[in-house]
Amino acid sequence: QQPVQSPQAVILREGEDAVINCSSSKALYSVHWYRQKHGEAPVFLMILLKGGEQKGHEKISASFNEKKQQSSLYLTASQLSYSGTYFCGTYHNNNDMRFGAGTRLTVKP
Amino acid sequence: KAGVTQTPRYLIKTRGQQVTLSCSPISGHRSVSWYQQTPGQGLQFLFEYFSETQRNKGNFPGRFSGRQFSNSRSEMNVSTLELGDSALYLCASSHQGDRGEKLFFGSGTQLSVL
Repeated sequence: QQPVQSPQAVILREGEDAVINCSSSKALYSVHWYRQKHGEAPVFLMILLKGGEQKGHEKISASFNEKKQQSSLYLTASQLSYSGTYFCGTYHNNNDMRFGAGTRLTVKP
Repeated sequence: KAGVTQTPRYLIKTRGQQVTLSCSPISGHRSVSWYQQTPGQGLQFLFEYFSETQRNKGNFPGRFSGRQFSNSRSEMNVSTLELGDSALYLCASSHQGDRGEKLFFGSGTQLSVL
């Protein structure tokens, strides 16, 4: 039930773009995205709901393909502050969220 | 509004001992979830409580248990500790635990088993 994230890690220069993918083998009700910086708690970024509703950060965009059971997080014009580990979390029919293994993003000057 | 509070921040135990971790959710939140985080494994779901009832449980052995009190505070207990239980344990809260609600995480309890 754990979603699969790709890539596992990515290194960018400031200003470059990145895409992080999340896929599930089961039908999804919603997909959540969180970012965790080293030694800190995960922080909410975005929720994508079945049916197209999105809630989240103005400067972050994401997509949710219900048929393919996939979501992608788009980070454009990356800044140093974007560095961290990104997790997607998925809900299916029950009320427990399962997280992917994470994507470590490093943004260099 | 105070955030999610987890205590203690660090714990060192030896194999065979038991441990209790505490989580105080944001005021008004009735759902509390627990996750185990280890390097490379991401966040593994342990269980979720809502209004003092366990609603969902992950794939962990019975040594891992939890409870929730009437004020929504939650505790998790690990008995007969093993070396592999060393991890960061995170709790998260939300109003109803609904699939469209964001989770608020605490800073976690870092457990080391020697």
